[in-house]
Amino acid sequence: KQEVTQIPAALSVPEGENLVLNCSFTDSAIYNLQWFRQDPGKGLTSLLLIQSSQREQTSGRLNASLDKSSGRSTLYIAASQPGDSATYLCAAKTGANNLFFGTGTRLTVIP
Amino acid sequence: GAGVSQSPSNKVTEKGKDVELRCDPISGHTALYWYRQSLGQGLEFLIYFQGNSAPDKSGLPSDRFSAERTGGSVSTLTIQRTQQEDSAVYLCASSLVSGGRVETQYFGPGTRLLVL
Repeated sequence: KQEVTQIPAALSVPEGENLVLNCSFTDSAIYNLQWFRQDPGKGLTSLLLIQSSQREQTSGRLNASLDKSSGRSTLYIAASQPGDSATYLCAAKTGANNLFFGTGTRLTVIP
Repeated sequence: GAGVSQSPSNKVTEKGKDVELRCDPISGHTALYWYRQSLGQGLEFLIYFQGNSAPDKSGLPSDRFSAERTGGSVSTLTIQRTQQEDSAVYLCASSLVSGGRVETQYFGPGTRLLVL
């Protein structure tokens, strides 16, 4: 069974700092890997999706990379802002249907 | 445009009662997923619907859980004889499937279920 781990569980940074969130998965036979953010009491918002054939995806200040062979993905956030404060989840899609989620990194950006 | 909607947003029920949770996916999305997010735990896959194919029920935790998707659109997740451990946020997601490839999943706001 695919296991997805996210480190660190929580992270606090001052506004403006660049940061990296880490995600690792045990089964490298993934279809894609997706990063989400979840605000308190809200559902998930998709940020980036990297297909298994891709190495990275970028959207604005966000850049996600994927290294299937090592079972790792990173989410890089540039010039962090207080509005970036949320829980960030990575999810690996394996087999036909399932998304396997990590437990998330709770990010706090301090003004 | 309209996203994935779920109802009710909150549900409090007594142990042993049945509950129904509803999901309206994004129009045109053929794939629909149910997940559960328990306190302090990650999201857990429950069930997947794709078009007219038989659903993937491999994530359902017990036979008290069932789901239907009528007309390829709206889905209901039913929990019979609810237990306290069923308390969680139940999230629904939908996505397109193009060229056999599943695209980004879009999530609804969830239904917060509390079983007393």
